[in-house]
Amino acid sequence: DAKTTQPNSMESNEEEPVHLPCNHSTISGTDYIHWYRQLPSQGPEYVIHGLTSNVNNRMASLAIAEDRKSSTLILHRATLRDAAVYYCIRWGGSQGNLIFGKGTKLSVKP
Amino acid sequence: SQTIHQWPATLVQPVGSPLSLECTVEGTSNPNLYWYRQAAGRGLQLLFYSVGIGQISSEVPQNLSASRPQDRQFILSSKKLLLSDSGFYLCAWSHAGGPYQPQHFGDGTRLSIL
Repeated sequence: DAKTTQPNSMESNEEEPVHLPCNHSTISGTDYIHWYRQLPSQGPEYVIHGLTSNVNNRMASLAIAEDRKSSTLILHRATLRDAAVYYCIRWGGSQGNLIFGKGTKLSVKP
Repeated sequence: SQTIHQWPATLVQPVGSPLSLECTVEGTSNPNLYWYRQAAGRGLQLLFYSVGIGQISSEVPQNLSASRPQDRQFILSSKKLLLSDSGFYLCAWSHAGGPYQPQHFGDGTRLSIL
């Protein structure tokens, strides 16, 4: 049980921002929110993670709601290479307990 | 920098044959190591993880086993493959330290059972 809810698919236009939502209403206080993405026929790639504060890195930004029941992954300018399945994962507790759900399939149109 | 290697990239095996998939990590010491499987059209399923040499935890009962003979080597094995073992097998590593350490994945092995 992934315990996160994401839309099955989203579309974006190239060079426009993309906001990928994730609901995790039962998140505990010690769970981190991780985002990974997977391109076709490749292993998942780490994107970003956070606990309470918004986070930025070279790939994306992560906006976490004040009550931590939801978060949004922001790609500031989508490129064709950003077309992938994006997984939102809450991770806490025992080692190795990183559970991948079905994710959001992002399509980017030129 | 750290790198992770998995081989082979693709494998076709008959039902009942043995399996050995190998994963090695370079550029780090005492990593946590993981084996995942992704069946066609489905999400990733954690199979095994290891926090040290000889220490293996199994997440899902199955006819697969894992071993960690060296610090940066992780092996996935089976004595007799089943049709249901087909899938995309991924090895990953992370620094030790709990839920704030990202996992880094290899390129995977696509296993087809005939």
